[in-house]
Parts: sequence; C-alpha cells; structure tokens
Amino acid sequence: ETGVTQTPRHLVMGMTNKKSLKCEQHLGHNAMYWYKQSAKKPLELMFVYSLEERVENNSVPSRFSPECPNSSHLFLHLHTLQPEDSALYLCASSQDWIADYGYTFGSGTRLTVV
Amino acid sequence: QKEVEQNSGPLSVPEGAIASLNCTYSDRGSQSFFWYRQYSGKSPELIMSIYSNGDKEDGRFTAQLNKASQYVSLLIRDSQPSDSATYLCAADMRFGAGTRLTVKP
Repeated sequence: ETGVTQTPRHLVMGMTNKKSLKCEQHLGHNAMYWYKQSAKKPLELMFVYSLEERVENNSVPSRFSPECPNSSHLFLHLHTLQPEDSALYLCASSQDWIADYGYTFGSGTRLTVV
Repeated sequence: QKEVEQNSGPLSVPEGAIASLNCTYSDRGSQSFFWYRQYSGKSPELIMSIYSNGDKEDGRFTAQLNKASQYVSLLIRDSQPSDSATYLCAADMRFGAGTRLTVKP
C-alpha cells in the first residue's frame, strides 16, 4: 500500500446509525486531516491532527468524532447524522501540520445519509 | 472569516491555448499557496506550490503569487484535453470552491 488509503469508498447510513471512516497513510507524514467536500462549495476543514494530537477543530458538530491512535491512522466516527451531512469526506496527510509542502489526499468516502 | 475565492467557471479553452486561472485570499498572514487538480470522481492532486512573490514554472504550468494584492494565479500553456478538470486554489489549509476547466479538442 502506498499513499493515503481511505475505507470504505462508499457508505449509505440511516440517521440513527453509527459508522466509522478509516484513513491510513504510508508516507511517514506527521499530520493528518479530515475535509468535507460538498458540491460547488470549498473544501471544509474539519479536523487537524499533528503527531496524534488534535490541533484544530473547526466548529464541527459533535455528531462527528475524530480519533487518531497514531501518526499513521485517523478515524472519523459518525452518529445520528443528518441528510445535509451527505458529502465526500477526504482524508489528507502532510509532512507537518503547517502543510508547507501541501497535502496528499486519499480517494475519499462518499457518504449518503438517508 | 478566512476565505479563498475563485471564479467557478466553467472556463473553456481550445486545445493548445493558454488557460488562466485566478484566485484571491483574505488572510494576509497566509504563507503557503497551492494549486490542486481534481478530476471528476477523484480526489485532489497537488500540482503546484508557491511561497514567495513572483512566478514559478513547472513544465506547462506557471504559478504566480502577488502577496500585496493577495492574488494567486495558475497558467497552463499548450492546454490539452487531459487538463480538463476542476482546479482548486489553497492558501495554507483553506481552499477555494474550484474552477472547472474544459479544454476542447
């Protein structure tokens, strides 16, 4: 495996379900990110982790809960989501959390909330 | 609110022409600037980074930065149909909504 891997690629969940998105990076980077991408809107930065510590949380609703057990893995736990949460969720990594050298993105998880 | 603004397009250019993509940012403290290319159904891919005023060239791509005007641009020379994609501008960790480019054969 190389780069940034996200699973699952597609997810359909009901509003009462609990699910988790997984991200793994094989680049030796120290920072990992969750972004939300909705149609015709800018990527929304959700969470930033640097060396397993959360360094930024952009007023994200508590129904989204991140977890970073080590510098290679990042999870996004989902519960009681709303239909407007349907979007592409992108994980990214960078050498450091200042992202001086830009991001490597995973393929994303297409989430549909029904 | 720190914002990055881009023309949504779509921008259409003929094959072989120069495509010009523009971006402005609101946070004067931004240090690093990036252009990403996103094909339909795919994730963004970093194509250019620029950190100081002036031009930076990489193959057919030239990024331009003017910090005084808070302006970043991307020029694509000899545009190819394979360049058809959405181009995202980023200032540090903030992204614009992207400009859709179509290169017509």
